[in-house]
Amino acid sequence: GQNIDQPTEMTATEGAIVQINCTYQTSGFNGLFWYQQHAGEAPTFLSYNVLDGLEEKGRFSSFLSRSKGYSYLLLKELQMKDSASYLCAAMDSNYQLIWGAGTKLIIKP
Amino acid sequence: SQTIHQWPATLVQPVGSPLSLECTVEGTSNPNLYWYRQAAGRGLQLLFYSVGIGQISSEVPQNLSASRPQDRQFILSSKKLLLSDSGFYLCAWSVEAGGYNEQFFGPGTRLTVL
Repeated sequence: GQNIDQPTEMTATEGAIVQINCTYQTSGFNGLFWYQQHAGEAPTFLSYNVLDGLEEKGRFSSFLSRSKGYSYLLLKELQMKDSASYLCAAMDSNYQLIWGAGTKLIIKP
Repeated sequence: SQTIHQWPATLVQPVGSPLSLECTVEGTSNPNLYWYRQAAGRGLQLLFYSVGIGQISSEVPQNLSASRPQDRQFILSSKKLLLSDSGFYLCAWSVEAGGYNEQFFGPGTRLTVL
């Protein structure tokens, strides 16, 4: 079957770095997405990886290893506004997104 | 630029009542359209997706249905709501470009069934 695993909740300190891991098993693979979702709001796109390696976008970076079925989202210089849920989603062979349950990130001052 | 609208933003309905949620997209043609449901503290569950007018694929058996009467309009319906239908309903659109299929979400409808 198809499955996405990510931690339920993580806590980090303002100004620090946090890494949110995601492992996936899908029927075929056409890329890995990370979305941010603040409480009560819709998800917003953060990153997309389809090749192995690290993609950097300002304070946020995303890494993919296709052979390991593994990705992580790295958030640097954490700010209070980064408190949100982070959703990992893998695209299968039919170009459908398989979603993880999300990781709730709590930032403490 | 593209925008996606959903309404209403919140809805409280009694068990057994009908439901109609509407989603419209502006600024793009022939988008893929999606309906998701998100229970409190949970991930996104794909309910329906559509690749064109009148073409609807259902991902899970349920008492919900979807229709796409126009290219950029997607409607989620139910004849009789259940308590378990409560949740956050999200409409999304995408346009495939060489396999890249980023989905853009509407603001969502929070449905409470009492």
